[in-house]
Amino acid sequence: EVLLVDSGGGLVQPGGSLRLSCAASGFTFTDYWMSWVRQSPGKGLEWVANIKQDGSQQFYVDSVRGRFSISRDNAKNSVYLHMNSLRAEDTAVYYCARDLRYESYIFGHWGQGTLVTVSA
Amino acid sequence: DIQMTQSPSTLSASLGDRVTITCRASQSISRWLAWYQQKPGKAPKLLIQRASSLESGVPSRFSGSGSGTEFTLTISSLQSDDFATYYCQQYSYFSTFGPGTKVEIK
Repeated sequence: EVLLVDSGGGLVQPGGSLRLSCAASGFTFTDYWMSWVRQSPGKGLEWVANIKQDGSQQFYVDSVRGRFSISRDNAKNSVYLHMNSLRAEDTAVYYCARDLRYESYIFGHWGQGTLVTVSA
Repeated sequence: DIQMTQSPSTLSASLGDRVTITCRASQSISRWLAWYQQKPGKAPKLLIQRASSLESGVPSRFSGSGSGTEFTLTISSLQSDDFATYYCQQYSYFSTFGPGTKVEIK
């Protein structure tokens, strides 16, 4: 069974940093692109970033480029989202998601989500 | 950026009703369109990819159609498990989601 477990969310002040983690199991991790998708009441669902199977390519939505960084550790079957210079508008539930095997940017499995709240 | 719109934003329907949700893209996305179902407190679930390909395990009462800029999701006979919010998503150029359509009980 495919399982994605998200963690690391919490309350952080504007300008602060946070690292989200996603532990994957139940599939061959190195076969898949992995993504982070967030959901906020104001902006709905938004793809945030993704990373290639070997970690050699990463892509970001414009609103987080330069502030967020996605990485993966294939030895630990884990993907991470490093978030810096956080803003109030980054407040959302963040989901780790597994892309389809042969198509990127479409998400067949999701984690349970972890809530990030940016507030003073 | 490709913008996605959905209509209606809320839909009230009864069990057994045929339901149709429309999704429009700001430019042509060929058939690079997916549909997701989301229930409160849960992650979205992929229903359909490439505009009309049903994911494994998704009931056949769900169907998708369209190409270019206009797409539809149809539920042929609404069941109690179908009351949820539905999102379209383009993946022609990176990824953008629509704002969602909430299907509620009439």
